[in-house]
Amino acid sequence: DAGVIQSPRHEVTEMGQEVTLRCKPISGHDYLFWYRQTMMRGLELLIYFNNNVPIDDSGMPEDRFSAKMPNASFSTLKIQPSEPRDSAVYFCASSPGQGRYEQYFGPGTRLTVT
Amino acid sequence: EDKVVQSPLSLVVHEGDTVTLNCSYEVTNFRSLLWYKQEKKAPTFLFMLTSSGIEKKSGRLSSILDKKELSSILNITATQTGDSAIYLCVAVSGNTGKLIFGQGTTLQVKP
Repeated sequence: DAGVIQSPRHEVTEMGQEVTLRCKPISGHDYLFWYRQTMMRGLELLIYFNNNVPIDDSGMPEDRFSAKMPNASFSTLKIQPSEPRDSAVYFCASSPGQGRYEQYFGPGTRLTVT
Repeated sequence: EDKVVQSPLSLVVHEGDTVTLNCSYEVTNFRSLLWYKQEKKAPTFLFMLTSSGIEKKSGRLSSILDKKELSSILNITATQTGDSAIYLCVAVSGNTGKLIFGQGTTLQVKP
């Protein structure tokens, strides 16, 4: 299996622009998670889905952030409008479910908002 | 509030040394405990521990869970420079597998 796939790997954008991050989970995994990592705050869970349904979005910073999972093999995290404080590495992870909780992380998207 | 605490926060050793990383947790509806290694990229899954007292091993790494003490340790024997990384202890809470991350232990192995 190719593992969790994320794109783009790097994104540099100007403040106010819309940013869309993409994720393809491991096939057959029931759960998908979006995380943000910064030096200051470490790894933060933003939102997660079970069978394409959002379960907990309490970690989403504010209304500028939104996430969708239209099908089992694709999810997006959108920031509109972006701000410099959104600069971070955004990870997507998936886990099998059914009693198996280990999460497998994608390579991450390094976002820089100038 | 659910929390996971790791110690030490950072550690510097020399190649060949053995290290023990500690993790304690207070988590409602605890399911299992995970260890991850993070270098300059995404966290890599190491172990999942669900049962108390059963050691998991992978090469020079081993880990064990103590549910009575709400803690876990990760041992690395004969350390190598490639073991330098942040080691994350993560507790799994509830039926939905929500992860609660510790702060991480930064291990530096010097040649």
